[in-house]
Amino acid sequence: AQSVTQLDSQVPVFEEAPVELRCNYSSSVSVYLFWYVQYPNQGLQLLLKYLSGSTLVKGINGFEAEFNKSQTSFHLRKPSVHISDTAEYFCAVSGHTNAGKSTFGDGTTLTVKP
Amino acid sequence: DAGVTQSPTHLIKTRGQHVTLRCSPISGHKSVSWYQQVLGQGPQFIFQYYEKEERGRGNFPDRFSARQFPNYSSELNVNALLLGDSALYLCASSFRLAGDEQYFGPGTRLTVT
Repeated sequence: AQSVTQLDSQVPVFEEAPVELRCNYSSSVSVYLFWYVQYPNQGLQLLLKYLSGSTLVKGINGFEAEFNKSQTSFHLRKPSVHISDTAEYFCAVSGHTNAGKSTFGDGTTLTVKP
Repeated sequence: DAGVTQSPTHLIKTRGQHVTLRCSPISGHKSVSWYQQVLGQGPQFIFQYYEKEERGRGNFPDRFSARQFPNYSSELNVNALLLGDSALYLCASSFRLAGDEQYFGPGTRLTVT
């Protein structure tokens, strides 16, 4: 069984400030890790993914995340946010044998203020 | 290239009715998964189909069923609708069963009154 905990339900931040959205997971098997963004009334868009290799993963829109196996974490970071980054962010995990069955966290609402 | 498409966009049904949601995956993708996203929560896995076979089922009652067609499109059926079935239903496709990322459609917003 797998579970995902997003440690902050809401993160307010000022424009051009750095941000970190925290994600911890638990799993009895090796996992793939993902971050998705969801804008109001839309589906999910993949920001970045960790499948294997380097633990620092770079994604779209200037986001990056670091996989920490010992801490079972996959925190999302951006050095300078924009108003347009305001959205809901979801962390997800899936097992190596079935990528189509993902477990999601409950999301973090990022609000960027001018 | 077209992404994952879902129809209809919005749907209003009455308790006890039946609903069918449709999904067309990205061309060449053989895996389709369905998720339910209740307001304020993350998506919950319902079903996965790969090569027209069910490969996974989440913790949902038997009122929920799905199938995948030879062209890899998929339907999600929900019988005897309850108020709690009101949600955004998301479809996702991927090329392979494992080691692959999913691409999500825009979802179908179902409201049960």
